[in-house]
Amino acid sequence: DQQVKQNSPSLSVQEGRISILNCDYTNSMFDYFLWYKKYPAEGPTFLISISSIKDKNEDGRFTVFLNKSAKHLSLHIVPSQPGDSAVYFCAASGAYNTDKLIFGTGTRLQVFP
Amino acid sequence: DTAVSQTPKYLVTQMGNDKSIKCEQNLGHDTMYWYKQDSKKFLKIMFSYNNKELIINETVPNRFSPKSPDKAHLNLHINSLELGDSAVYFCASSQLTLSYEQYFGPGTRLTVT
Repeated sequence: DQQVKQNSPSLSVQEGRISILNCDYTNSMFDYFLWYKKYPAEGPTFLISISSIKDKNEDGRFTVFLNKSAKHLSLHIVPSQPGDSAVYFCAASGAYNTDKLIFGTGTRLQVFP
Repeated sequence: DTAVSQTPKYLVTQMGNDKSIKCEQNLGHDTMYWYKQDSKKFLKIMFSYNNKELIINETVPNRFSPKSPDKAHLNLHINSLELGDSAVYFCASSQLTLSYEQYFGPGTRLTVT
């Protein structure tokens, strides 16, 4: 049972435009969400996170939006740059710090010139 | 200065063999993890150790045995390797008292023939 889903396996965006990556979850007990970025042959690196008490968190070109009623979050990258080309994983965690992260299957973003 | 390191990066071995993967973190974190990324790109937690104590064990076959000699190291030993063990194994660490963010190693690609 996949509790965190990224239904788009890939996304192609032109440089300078907005990239929107989506993530859906099924467990209403999740209260903390993270986005990780992964380049080939490297481990995932933390990008941005959001707590369930917020609906938006912004860090430079990256903004994460959370819609708890829809159990949906999205990552916006504006403007997209070729260096953003990577696989992006959405992850969720429960109410306690010791809870594990549940990852989605990732979306491969390609930003072309 | 590598924060989370794993050795080896690649491991090719035959069915039935026993192998180990080592992980070290120099971030001063108190919690370490092992994840498995299978051929379908699912990134799933296997184990979590906090200050050398096992806190998460995700129904992993007992052929897999993690060992934490100190809080900076978490090794993974696998007995009687099977074809289905072929995957990329990631080590990660975090400071749970501060945040949910986990820092990942570069991964070890295990191929069982």
